[in-house]
Amino acid sequence: AQKVTQAQTEISVVEKEDVTLDCVYETRDTTYYLFWYKQPPSGELVFLIRRNSFDEQNEISGRYSWNFQKSTSSFNFTITASQVVDSAVYFCALSEVAGASGTYKYIFGTGTRLKVLA
Amino acid sequence: SQTIHQWPATLVQPVGSPLSLECTVEGTSNPNLYWYRQAAGRGLQLLFYSIGIDQISSEVPQNLSASRPQDRQFILSSKKLLLSDSGFYLCAWNFGGSGNTIYFGEGSWLTVV
Repeated sequence: AQKVTQAQTEISVVEKEDVTLDCVYETRDTTYYLFWYKQPPSGELVFLIRRNSFDEQNEISGRYSWNFQKSTSSFNFTITASQVVDSAVYFCALSEVAGASGTYKYIFGTGTRLKVLA
Repeated sequence: SQTIHQWPATLVQPVGSPLSLECTVEGTSNPNLYWYRQAAGRGLQLLFYSIGIDQISSEVPQNLSASRPQDRQFILSSKKLLLSDSGFYLCAWNFGGSGNTIYFGEGSWLTVV
């Protein structure tokens, strides 16, 4: 069965440190999609990135970068020079086809709470 | 642009009372719609998803139900709430197709007392 594991429950760093959030997934699908979301204290989940299984190129967006490695089934997220505003819960997610309808449903990890201390 | 709204934002309900959470999407048609629950300190659990009006799939057996009376409206209900129903409920939507990004509403905090 499809599964997403975020082994780090909580991470604390001091501002300006780099931090990597780990995500390991399991799937039997050959085509799948991976996502990262940020959940600030307000609660709403904010979309950060979507990556399909055929694109293993790393991606960088400002201080954020993502490392996708199919060989290890990992999709890790790094924040460079962390800031207090980065404090949030971060979720990794995997999409899978949901039955004969062809609709995709999404499996989320349990999240990693990041605390950036000033 | 598309927007999603859900309400109420917060509610406190006694055990055994009914529940109705509403979610609407604007700026699109025929979206897929989802209800997730996030219990304290836990991940997101998919409760229901819908690919069209009156087409709803349930992921977890429970005392909750969902309805989609209109294309862009998704309602989460319960006839009698349990203490274990407490949590943060999130409505979400996306376009049908290959693993399209899902977008979430603001969420509703439910406390059953």
